[in-house]
Amino acid sequence: AQSVTQPDIHITVSEGASLELRCNYSYGATPYLFWYVQSPGQGLQLLLKYFSGDTLVQGIKGFEAEFKRSQSSFNLRKPSVHWSDAAEYFCAVGAGTASKLTFGTGTRLQVTL
Amino acid sequence: NAGVTQTPKFRVLKTGQSMTLLCAQDMNHEYMYWYRQDPGMGLRLIHYSVGEGTTAKGEVPDGYNVSRLKKQNFLLGLESAAPSQTSVYFCASSSDPRRAYYGYTFGSGTRLTVV
Repeated sequence: AQSVTQPDIHITVSEGASLELRCNYSYGATPYLFWYVQSPGQGLQLLLKYFSGDTLVQGIKGFEAEFKRSQSSFNLRKPSVHWSDAAEYFCAVGAGTASKLTFGTGTRLQVTL
Repeated sequence: NAGVTQTPKFRVLKTGQSMTLLCAQDMNHEYMYWYRQDPGMGLRLIHYSVGEGTTAKGEVPDGYNVSRLKKQNFLLGLESAAPSQTSVYFCASSSDPRRAYYGYTFGSGTRLTVV
């Protein structure tokens, strides 16, 4: 069975600073990998996804993520954080014929002005 | 285009009461899912469906039942609510994972409190 680890429960960055959120996964084959963002009281919005091909994927809102098979990681990055990026971020791995996603426990991002 | 719609948005139940959460999608997606979200635990899959008339158990199915009588609807039932079922429930739908545009579309959630 697949699993996802997000080691950082809470991260605080200053507006304009760079951001990296960590995600490690466990799965025997090539996984589908996703990053979702959740604003307070809202559902989850897809930021980006990796299926195959180029290991650096671009997403919405200026986010990118890099798939590193050797490290079983799919870290999310943004060069300059905006106050509106404050939210909870979830990494997820998909596998199996039913496309079930397994989510990490999330990282809450706080942005200071 | 409404996407995925969940009703109700909020509900308070007494222990032992029953209720049904409705999820409706208008994207002609084959796959539908029910997750629950609890603090510090992320989202956990309750039940899912790979097509009309089919359902399957996820990671935490106990105490819940589901039905998918129509392709666009996925119902989650609690027969006898317990305080441990206090949570935020999210429905999601997706296309075939082999398609390039595959990804989940989530509803806005149902906040359920069982007292």
